Amino acid sequence: GQQVMQIPQYQHVQEGEDFTTYCNSSTTLSNIQWYKQRPGGHPVFLIQLVKSGEVKKQKRLTFQFGEAKKNSSLHITATQTTDVGTYFCAANDYKLSFGAGTTVTVRA
Amino acid sequence: NAGVTQTPKFRILKIGQSMTLQCTQDMNHNYMYWYRQDPGMGLKLIYYSVGAGITDKGEVPNGYNVSRSTTEDFPLRLELAAPSQTSVYFCASSYLEGQGGQYFGPGTRLTVT
Repeated sequence: GQQVMQIPQYQHVQEGEDFTTYCNSSTTLSNIQWYKQRPGGHPVFLIQLVKSGEVKKQKRLTFQFGEAKKNSSLHITATQTTDVGTYFCAANDYKLSFGAGTTVTVRA
Repeated sequence: NAGVTQTPKFRILKIGQSMTLQCTQDMNHNYMYWYRQDPGMGLKLIYYSVGAGITDKGEVPNGYNVSRSTTEDFPLRLELAAPSQTSVYFCASSYLEGQGGQYFGPGTRLTVT
């Protein structure tokens, strides 16, 4: 299946700051999904990106799909303590292949 | 709707024992999946099903078996448990393959000693 690499693996953010996490593939993706997993919880679907160059926003979260459909990013503005957790991208190649995730901690 | 439910929440097995992890969804989803998640890692697909009576292997199927006799239920069977199977197991379902998101259950934390 598709392999996706996520960077960084860990992100320590000061509350109120912005940060971006990236998801990269060596091959073209049909679409990509993003999930959030709170500590001790289960993954929760956030969004799916399908079109080349697509940008979608959910409040303070901005998701982008690259023009070549080989990479994606998640940008969070004005980080809050509720943003703590691990964010996974998942490449869709008939079955989902999950990246290793970016684990976010927030300093109050 | 309860969504996706999994039982048990926690289980400790001795090496060589067997058990079945239960998964039920009430959303009438055709597609169901079993994943394992090791500490600090992403999710690895064990088995999946595209409908009742149809199952297929994922990335890491060895040591596991599944069945799908109904749309709602997708149990995962561990035979001859090994320490390498210590993990958190998540069941998930989706309406359409590749479209929309997967809905995950709360997980089963399994320890094999």
